[in-house]
Order: sequence, then structure tokens, then C-alpha cells
Amino acid sequence: EVQLVESGGGLVQPGGSLRLSCAASGFTFSTYWMSWVRQAPGKGLEWVANIKQDGSDKYYVDSVKGRFTISRDNAKNSLYLQMNSLRAEDTAVYYCARDSRYFQYWGQGTLVTVSS
Amino acid sequence: QSALTQPRSVSGSPGQSVAISCTGTSSDVGGYNYVSWYQQYPGKAPKLMIYDVSKRPSGVPDRFSGSKSGNTASLTISGLQAEDEADYYCCSYAGSYTLIFGAGTKLTVL
Repeated sequence: EVQLVESGGGLVQPGGSLRLSCAASGFTFSTYWMSWVRQAPGKGLEWVANIKQDGSDKYYVDSVKGRFTISRDNAKNSLYLQMNSLRAEDTAVYYCARDSRYFQYWGQGTLVTVSS
Repeated sequence: QSALTQPRSVSGSPGQSVAISCTGTSSDVGGYNYVSWYQQYPGKAPKLMIYDVSKRPSGVPDRFSGSKSGNTASLTISGLQAEDEADYYCCSYAGSYTLIFGAGTKLTVL
């Protein structure tokens, strides 16, 4: 059974940093693109970033370029999102999702709240 | 880049059919056959219902179907059931390994 479990969310002040993690199991992690998708409270879904199987290629939505970094550790079956210079508008539930063209598997999400 | 355009809400009675539209541009919906649709209940993670415009993942009822014409994709739900009441989001590949979602549509089963 495919499982994706996010962690690392919490309350952070504007300008602060946070690192999200996603533990994957039930499939061969190293053979799939992986993505982060977020959803602000009461709002729609927004694709944030994705990363190629070997980590060599990474892509981001314009609003997070230069602030967020996606990475992965295939030996640990883990996906990460380093978030710096956080803003109030980054407040959202962040989901880890498998693949990059469509998302068949999602985690349960982790809430990031940016507020003073 | 702005979100794909979806109606804010649609409704239908049990047994009826409803269609949810998703309008983009030639740079996303119109340019690729990579449109997907997601169902989301409050407080839950989204669930994939349709991918590559019209393909259904295993386990999704055949009451759900997808299509595309030009820059507009559509999700049709036939034989509406109470359990179909949820939010629905479209998503399209937008080139350069990026994706864009629609703003979402709330489906109400009357």
C-alpha cells in the first residue's frame, strides 16, 4: 500500500524558515517524480514544486522561487521542502504527492501557519 | 499564472448528470492532453478521479468521465449520488514541468 506521511508543519513568524518532510513507503520511491501541493485555508489547490527521480531537475511555482527548495533522499525514501523567508500568504496545508503530471497518491497534509 | 477557470458551484438532483468545466489557454489545457480532476471532501486529501483528460484510475466509478475541446476540459458525473457532493478541482500541465490547478467547484446534490 502506497503511503505518504508529511511532517514538520507548525507556527512560524514572517521571515522565518521551516523544513517539511514526507516519508514514502509501499512503492519504489527512487523511480518516481515527487511533488508538493498546498492549499490555503478555505482556498483551492496550488502546485508548489516537483523534483525528478534522481533530484537533478527541480521546478517551482513563481511565487516560491528563490525562497523554497525541494529535495529528496532516495536512500531514506524521503522528500523535503525547505521554506525560507516565509510570508503570511504561505499559510496552507502542504501535501506531498507522487508523480508530476497527475497525482494519484497524496499524503494527509501538514499545516504551516505564518503569523506573528 | 492565474488559476484555471471553473464555475464556483454546480448542483443536481440524484440520478441526474452534471458537467463541470475547466477553461484555460493554449499554453495549458489546450496545449497538452494532461488534464486531471480531483475530488476533495472537507478536511481530507484530494482524490484523483480522471487523468490524461479522460482516463479513470482503478476504483473510480464509470459514472465519472472526462473530455476536452480546445482550451476547455470537462468532468461529467452521471447518475448523481449523495456521496458525490464535494469540491472538484481540475489540473493541467502548463509546460516546463509546471502544473496549474483550477479554482475549484463545489458540487451540491439537491
